[in-house]
Amino acid sequence: DADVTQTPRNRITKTGKRIMLECSQTKGHDRMYWYRQDPGLGLRLIYYSFDVKDINKGEISDGYSVSRQAQAKFSLSLESAIPNQTALYFCATKRESSYEQYFGPGTRLTVT
Amino acid sequence: LAKTTQPISMDSYEGQEVNITCSHNNIATNDYITWYQQFPSQGPRFIIQGYKTKVTNEVASLFIPADRKSSTLSLPRVSLSDTAVYYCLVGDEDNAGNMLTFGGGTRLMVKP
Repeated sequence: DADVTQTPRNRITKTGKRIMLECSQTKGHDRMYWYRQDPGLGLRLIYYSFDVKDINKGEISDGYSVSRQAQAKFSLSLESAIPNQTALYFCATKRESSYEQYFGPGTRLTVT
Repeated sequence: LAKTTQPISMDSYEGQEVNITCSHNNIATNDYITWYQQFPSQGPRFIIQGYKTKVTNEVASLFIPADRKSSTLSLPRVSLSDTAVYYCLVGDEDNAGNMLTFGGGTRLMVKP
């Protein structure tokens, strides 16, 4: 079984809809992250969480919110989706004191 | 925030050694250097990490000069399956917003 899972893997939604992307991990890591990747570009950090009570904005948090329901779960919400939020979204986890992040398979989101 | 500069793309042939250099002129004392590999539509995968001098693991070597203003990822005897995007990251593990800047990466194309 995969250590970091993301659901859904693909999603098409309409402008203005609220959508939630979910991430779960079985690695026991405290730190979790959400990124987006646009075609041909690198990853940009949206939000990150060092533990259940510690959530921080990343480089591009506007239009997004997150929830850390448990150590193993970190959800990303788009309150009112817009077309320029069409992207590939990745969740990642990391153990404190390590530089190695473990990424999920990604969620391809299309906003029409 | 340590900014990194990498070549946009590189071509190589199977069996050759590939060296990808990353410039990070304003690297801070506490910053580490980390390299990731990403295949299309997959999350990045950790390759190697270092602070100074040379680090080697089963897949790559990382060369860091004494001034630490650059680093070179060396892939020995590449194969077609090494075709991917390679990202250099520089930052301090305790400052997640600092270290998690992927940038555009280097697209490596390995030809037969």
